[in-house]
Amino acid sequence: GQNIDQPTEMTATEGAIVQINCTYQTSGFNGLFWYQQHAGEAPTFLSYNVLDGLEEKGRFSSFLSRSKGYSYLLLKELQMKDSASYLCAVLPPSGSARQLTFGSGTQLTVLP
Amino acid sequence: DSGVTQTPKHLITATGQRVTLRCSPRSGDLSVYWYQQSLDQGLQFLIQYYNGEERAKGNILERFSAQQFPDLHSELNLSSLELGDSALYFCASKSGDPNTGELFFGEGSRLTVL
Repeated sequence: GQNIDQPTEMTATEGAIVQINCTYQTSGFNGLFWYQQHAGEAPTFLSYNVLDGLEEKGRFSSFLSRSKGYSYLLLKELQMKDSASYLCAVLPPSGSARQLTFGSGTQLTVLP
Repeated sequence: DSGVTQTPKHLITATGQRVTLRCSPRSGDLSVYWYQQSLDQGLQFLIQYYNGEERAKGNILERFSAQQFPDLHSELNLSSLELGDSALYFCASKSGDPNTGELFFGEGSRLTVL
């Protein structure tokens, strides 16, 4: 099975940097995803890590350590529109049903 | 716009009733996934279809059923509705590439059971 943990809530200031952590314990692993979800809207894809290391995409970066079962999402130059829930999700290994298992999400509030 | 279309966007009904939620995946995507998101809850996987066949089941109640049609659209049927079934129901699709896990979500169907 999959067990995914991430903080429930975080608060940061506009223009600052925030790091959202995610730890997972899985029986198999084939990649980790980060999604952003504004209230009442569809989740939208942010990043995908399958190998260890940092993936950078504009203001957002995602890091993965498979040996530690750990990932983080780094958001730089925070903007008010970044206030949203950030969902960590794990992809099971090939050969199994390929549904993403999501964590409960981290609600980020960006303050002016 | 993800390319995944869900209808209806909003639905209000009474306990004991039955509703059908519809999803059209992105053009060319063979996999359809249904997720439930209750208030303050994470996304809970319900069921997956691939090219018309059920591929995986998650925490789906026996009162719920789904199917994927030859044109690849999918329907989620919810029956004997209870207050606790009030939630956002998301459909997502994915390309057939087994090495790509990115899901594309529809805007969701918000179900309110009174």
